[in-house]
Amino acid sequence: EIVMTQSPATLSVSPGERATLSCRPSQSLSSNLAWYQQKPGQAPRLLIYGASTRASGIPARFSGSGSGTEFTLTISSLQSEDFAIYYCQHYNSRPPIFTFGPGTKVDIK
Amino acid sequence: EVQLLESGGGLVQPGGSLRLSCAASGFTFSSYAMNWVRQAPGKGLEWVSGISTDGGETYYADSVKGRFTVSRDNSKNTLDLLMNSLRAEDTALYYCAKWSRFLEGSADALDIWGQGTMVTVSS
Repeated sequence: EIVMTQSPATLSVSPGERATLSCRPSQSLSSNLAWYQQKPGQAPRLLIYGASTRASGIPARFSGSGSGTEFTLTISSLQSEDFAIYYCQHYNSRPPIFTFGPGTKVDIK
Repeated sequence: EVQLLESGGGLVQPGGSLRLSCAASGFTFSSYAMNWVRQAPGKGLEWVSGISTDGGETYYADSVKGRFTVSRDNSKNTLDLLMNSLRAEDTALYYCAKWSRFLEGSADALDIWGQGTMVTVSS
């Protein structure tokens, strides 16, 4: 069973600053990794799939990178609407299951 | 507009049963596999179950295997989750989510989510 670890648990950032979020699977993965954003009282929203491809309508300040056992979500210049919880997710096809990380909360410094 | 709308949540006693439904609109429902994902109060996301496009294949998290049953009706554009033998730890907001495959099948993600329906298991 693959376990997803995200760090830090909480990241305090000032508006306009860069935020770097980490996701580390317990085993080396393909690039089948996604990132989601969830704001309070809202459903999660897909940001990134395939480790680095932005989903439809996602601003260019969001970027994903990485492979193997280290993946990163970078928000280049934080806007007020970006303060939220971010989850990484891996899909394993055998058996087909989705595994989420515990999340990183990005809050205002 | 692409939309998923869950219903059927509520308060149920431990050991009881509940059926959740998800109504899909704005996309060709029969062309997409679907999933249920839950979120306990103040906690993270937990994948619960998935189902293939025709309903012929179903998948479950170990935590619900043998107690939950996922099904779909492509003629009605609906997804269901029958939950039996409910436990306190099943208390959560249950989301249905559309499963999309990107990049020629090399990337799987949940690209459309409903707003969720709350299930509370308590005596």
